Amino acid sequence: EVHLVESGGGLVQPGGSLRLSCEASGFTFSSYWMYWVRQAPGKGLVWVARINNDGKTTDYADSVKGRFTISRDSAKNTLYLQMDSLRAEDTAVYFCTRLTFGNYYGDYYYYMDVWGKGTTVTVSS
Amino acid sequence: QSVLTQPPSVSGTPGQRVTISCSGSGSNIGNNYVFWYQHLPGTAPKLLIYRNSQRPSGVPDRFSGSKSGTSASLAISGLRSDDEADYYCATWDDSLSGPRELGIWVFGGGTKVTVL
Repeated sequence: EVHLVESGGGLVQPGGSLRLSCEASGFTFSSYWMYWVRQAPGKGLVWVARINNDGKTTDYADSVKGRFTISRDSAKNTLYLQMDSLRAEDTAVYFCTRLTFGNYYGDYYYYMDVWGKGTTVTVSS
Repeated sequence: QSVLTQPPSVSGTPGQRVTISCSGSGSNIGNNYVFWYQHLPGTAPKLLIYRNSQRPSGVPDRFSGSKSGTSASLAISGLRSDDEADYYCATWDDSLSGPRELGIWVFGGGTKVTVL
């Protein structure tokens, strides 16, 4: 069975750092793009960062660009999110999710199919 | 403010049919497939509908999705108490993609379904 388990969340002061981890199991981790998505209190889901299957291509939402770094270790089947210069507005539940693809009569499409339960990050003094 | 617009809440009594709308534009819903997720706080979001109207294995046929033009909708028939959750529509947005290999994934703001 496919599983994603996040860890590493906690309480951190503004300006501080935190590293989140997401351990994957039940599938060939190195074959999939992976995302971090967050949900601030009372708000909806928003993508934060993504990484391609070999780790050589990364992308970030404007709100975290220059402060967050996504990476992966295929030997450990683990996705990471290094969060630096944290702000109060980064307070959220952070989910990791897998990007899979489908093929409908030659029309390839991509979507998030499996999610973890999330880990909570609170930025406060 | 989300790129895709959903009503903040919908409600119904057990057994009723409720519908959740998701409104976008030509650069997102109008040009891409729509996906729906169910999320209970404290749990992993669950894929309910993919490619506009397809249900993954294990999702009851009480859940159905549709798309027309730049809008999509999720219907829940035979509403049950365990359907109480937040529901999100999602798709790609081509206008936000820039030089990126893939487009930008966008979500609706979410709709809370309450079973009265």
